[in-house]
Amino acid sequence: QKEVEQNSGPLSVPEGAIASLNCTYSDRVSQSFFWYRQYSGKSPELIMSIYSNGDKEDGRFTAQLNKASQYVSLLIRDSQPSDSATYLCAVSASGAGSYQLTFGKGTKLSVIP
Amino acid sequence: EPEVTQTPSHQVTQMGQEVILRCVPISNHLYFYWYRQILGQKVEFLVSFYNNEISEKSEIFDDQFSVERPDGSNFTLKIRSTKLEDSAMYFCASSRTGRNQPQHFGDGTRLSIL
Repeated sequence: QKEVEQNSGPLSVPEGAIASLNCTYSDRVSQSFFWYRQYSGKSPELIMSIYSNGDKEDGRFTAQLNKASQYVSLLIRDSQPSDSATYLCAVSASGAGSYQLTFGKGTKLSVIP
Repeated sequence: EPEVTQTPSHQVTQMGQEVILRCVPISNHLYFYWYRQILGQKVEFLVSFYNNEISEKSEIFDDQFSVERPDGSNFTLKIRSTKLEDSAMYFCASSRTGRNQPQHFGDGTRLSIL
């Protein structure tokens, strides 16, 4: 059974601070990792994708992947109130035609003005 | 920017009725997916579709569910004889290819079974 674990939160940070979101996964053959943002009642919106160990930066967002530790994280710099949402970690095996995403339950982030 | 579109946005159906949820994936994408999210729970995979056939399905995707690509643009999810526990948000997603490609989600259809 493939599992993706996230702290449910809520994680509260002041405006302008760095928010750090973490995710662990159980399936060692996982190869593709994604962070989605989901506002209440809305659909998942892709924030970042990462496929190899290390850091990947896109604007205020940095994704970090450590396959040996089966750990992926998302840093949000200069957090804004509009970043308040639930952040979903999703993992795909991407092997033998298996591309389905396994999602974590999400971490609810609240950015306090 | 191209997006996945889903209709209707909200569907209310009596238990036991059939329902069809519709999706138009992004035009140059080849892989299509359905997910569902029961209120307060995580997003769950239902089925993936490539080259006009199902490539993967989950345990949730039993005989009451079916998918179809009736023409070059639409991708549908049919639920026969709906149950109360089918009430959820249903998301369609698409990706350009399968491997190492992000999946882009539509706005979803909220299905309410009475």
